[in-house]
Amino acid sequence: EAGVVQSPRYKIIEKKQPVAFWCNPISGHNTLYWYLQNLGQGPELLIRYENEEAVDDSQLPKDRFSAERLKGVDSTLKIQPAELGDSAVYLCASSFSQGTGELFFGEGSRLTVL
Amino acid sequence: AQSVSQHNHHVILSEAASLELGCNYSYGGTVNLFWYVQYPGQHLQLLLKYFSGDPLVKGIKGFEAEFIKSKFSFNLRKPSVQWSDTAEYFCAVKNRGGGNKLTFGTGTQLKVEL
Repeated sequence: EAGVVQSPRYKIIEKKQPVAFWCNPISGHNTLYWYLQNLGQGPELLIRYENEEAVDDSQLPKDRFSAERLKGVDSTLKIQPAELGDSAVYLCASSFSQGTGELFFGEGSRLTVL
Repeated sequence: AQSVSQHNHHVILSEAASLELGCNYSYGGTVNLFWYVQYPGQHLQLLLKYFSGDPLVKGIKGFEAEFIKSKFSFNLRKPSVQWSDTAEYFCAVKNRGGGNKLTFGTGTQLKVEL
């Protein structure tokens, strides 16, 4: 069974440029998460989707960050414009909404903003 | 809001030494508890979890953790570490009334020397 797939794995951009990350969750998982992981820190939730609905986006900086999950499967996280402080790893995870709470993570997208 | 504290940020052990990594959480209600591991260059993966029942839970690769409710703790242990256990370990908590939101600690970087 395929795991959570993320792309790109690495992205280097200059500040003020836009960037987008894509995530394909495990088939059948209706809950999808985007986490931010800074160096030396644990993952921090940015947004959580139940199917197409964003049910928790309280930690998403909405002035520059946006996310969508139009058909309840794949998701895209966008940053526009990127700032130096956005350099981090962006993790996508998925789970069953009524399951044991175990999250399955992708390998992450490492962003470097110059 | 719930929070998770991991007391040891960096741990260095020799092979065959015993391991104990501390984890404390702040939420007072019913919780689900997890330990995730991230091996170098790999994605986060579940090591073990506690939902109910026996407070001593066993996970993969000889790891175990004990839930002590009175101390709000969920420490990770392994009697004899191996070089291949070198990784970053994250404790995580989900409160039962909080949907599927998982809160992570800051992580402990374990290095096992030969």
